[in-house]
Amino acid sequence: DGGITQSPKYLFRKEGQNVTLSCEQNLNHDAMYWYRQDPGQGLRLIYYSQIVNDFQKGDIAEGYSVSREKKESFPLTVTSAQKNPTAFYLCASSIREGWSNQPQHFGDGTRLSIL
Amino acid sequence: SQQGEEDPQALSIQEGENATMNCSYKTSINNLQWYRQNSGRGLVHLILIRSNEREKHSGRLRVTLDTSKKSSSLLITASRAADTASYFCATDAAGAGSYQLTFGKGTKLSVIP
Repeated sequence: DGGITQSPKYLFRKEGQNVTLSCEQNLNHDAMYWYRQDPGQGLRLIYYSQIVNDFQKGDIAEGYSVSREKKESFPLTVTSAQKNPTAFYLCASSIREGWSNQPQHFGDGTRLSIL
Repeated sequence: SQQGEEDPQALSIQEGENATMNCSYKTSINNLQWYRQNSGRGLVHLILIRSNEREKHSGRLRVTLDTSKKSSSLLITASRAADTASYFCATDAAGAGSYQLTFGKGTKLSVIP
């Protein structure tokens, strides 16, 4: 079955440590996205990528980094510069068609906590 | 950036009743989408309505869009316990071409069996 796989499901970070969240999709989608969700809140966009080897900052990119070396993969690194990383992280993908946004397909998220 | 705002923040109904959630946004859009999120899971796309459409149906879901009022509503008819979830609207800015969606904070729906 096609879909998006995020791993791990739970992740713990020590102070001063960088951690990387994995996101893999087999939907053949060009566009991929990373969102952060805090309790009782909506989704805030961290980074997005419309094509391999290209990505753009979203609304809250500070303290995060990404890469897009393969179409299927869009890993997110939470760096030590992100002082409040505890949140639920969601990865999504979509096709690119015209100028408007298409439906996004989401993974089941990674919950990151501070030790 | 623009943001959809859902109303109410929380809604509790009996099974079999209808549930209506509203979304307001600030600037012109290409389309508006509704998503559902079960607790601790990712979002699932429900329905997309384009700016030139006024109403759309999908099974027990009915979505309306009023671009003059910059608002949309999601109606779930004959609700079931399995409909218990948070519901989010998401918009994209018209002409932006940035492939960004802006999500609201959601309506938490509880359907009591």
